[in-house]
Amino acid sequence: QGQLVQSGDEVKKPGASVKVSCKASGYIFTSYGMHWLRQAPGQGLEWMGWISAYTGETLYAQKIQGRVTMTADTTTSTAYMELRSLRSDDTAAYYCARGVIMLQSPPRPFDIWGQGTMVTVSS
Amino acid sequence: EIVMTQSPVTLSVSPGERATLSCRASQSISNYLAWYQQKPGQAPRLLIYAASMRANGIPDRFSGIASGTEFTLIISSLQSEDFAVYYCQHYNNWYNFGQGTKLEIK
Repeated sequence: QGQLVQSGDEVKKPGASVKVSCKASGYIFTSYGMHWLRQAPGQGLEWMGWISAYTGETLYAQKIQGRVTMTADTTTSTAYMELRSLRSDDTAAYYCARGVIMLQSPPRPFDIWGQGTMVTVSS
Repeated sequence: EIVMTQSPVTLSVSPGERATLSCRASQSISNYLAWYQQKPGQAPRLLIYAASMRANGIPDRFSGIASGTEFTLIISSLQSEDFAVYYCQHYNNWYNFGQGTKLEIK
């Protein structure tokens, strides 16, 4: 079925960077992509972007583009999301979720999710 | 950009009764519509995909209906574990979510 396990919660100062990891198991990592989403406290879900674990191709939401980098390490079946120049409104739970292998692939929903990583940005 | 609009924001229903949640897309999304359930402190869980297909392990009291750009999630007989926030999502080349419906105990 598959499982995604994310790294632990983080506390960062404004202007710093954070890198969240998402380790996949129970499925072939390179047969899928990985989405990243976030959820500010008490708010809804915001899609941040996607990476193909097969090609490394990425697609970022316009709002976050320029501050985010998503990567995938096929040797460890781990996806990473790095967010730079952190602001207070980046405080949120960050999730990874399994997705399509390529953008041209048939659409698929987010069927496996990580447990979430809380990132708090505070001076 | 396709906007997903859910209604109501909050729905109060008694256990054992039926709950009906709505989601509208601002333009055609075919049936690339998913429903997720989220409980406090947990990640979302996929319930329904392709507008009406139940995900693995989802009880048959959950069902999805599509009519054009209008989508409905029906929970036929509410159990205590069903009280949560529900999100709809469009997942074809872009991945917008509705703002959520909180299903609470009446």
